[in-house]
Amino acid sequence: KAGVTQTPRYLIKTRGQQVTLSCSPISGHRSVSWYQQTPGQGLQFLFEYFSETQRNKGNFPGRFSGRQFSNSRSEMNVSTLELGDSALYLCASSLDGGAEKLFFGSGTQLSVL
Amino acid sequence: EDQVTQSPEALRLQEGESSSLNCSYTVSGLRGLFWYRQDPGKGPEFLFTLYSAGEEKEKERLKATLTKKESFLHITAPKPEDSATYLCAVHHGSGNTGKLIFGQGTTLQVKP
Repeated sequence: KAGVTQTPRYLIKTRGQQVTLSCSPISGHRSVSWYQQTPGQGLQFLFEYFSETQRNKGNFPGRFSGRQFSNSRSEMNVSTLELGDSALYLCASSLDGGAEKLFFGSGTQLSVL
Repeated sequence: EDQVTQSPEALRLQEGESSSLNCSYTVSGLRGLFWYRQDPGKGPEFLFTLYSAGEEKEKERLKATLTKKESFLHITAPKPEDSATYLCAVHHGSGNTGKLIFGQGTTLQVKP
């Protein structure tokens, strides 16, 4: 069974640009969550999608958004990039969400110059 | 406010030298405590889930335990391949919604 796939693996952008990251969950998993990982803040929850609906959201500004498609694939978008958005963005999937184990992808390393 | 604190931040062990990693948490209504392992350049990999105080789980050289306020990850006779960052997280939320709140992690280095 294929794992969680995230593309691209690396991205370099400049301040003010926008970026879209993609995540394909494990087949059969309907919940997709996104996390931001930085050396200073660790792993922080961005949002969770289930059946194309955002079910939960973390404390990030509105510049961070996401969506989920009918095949459970998910994208997250960051508009008007800031230097502080440089981070590893991790996608995780699970069967139904809730208090069950998450399967993480290898992440997208975003650098904002 | 829900919080997860891991200690120590970093740990260096000789191969075969057993030790424990600590994860203390404050959360209203624990619905699950998770341990993950993260290797450089990779996403976290699931190790254990613990749901209630007194619960223990084992996998190879790792054993996780849970009390009402903290969890321990015991590493017995570690090998160099156990070197990684170990992350603890608690589930916050209700029903099928929610999120994981992660600690900052303990970076373990095992020297041969």
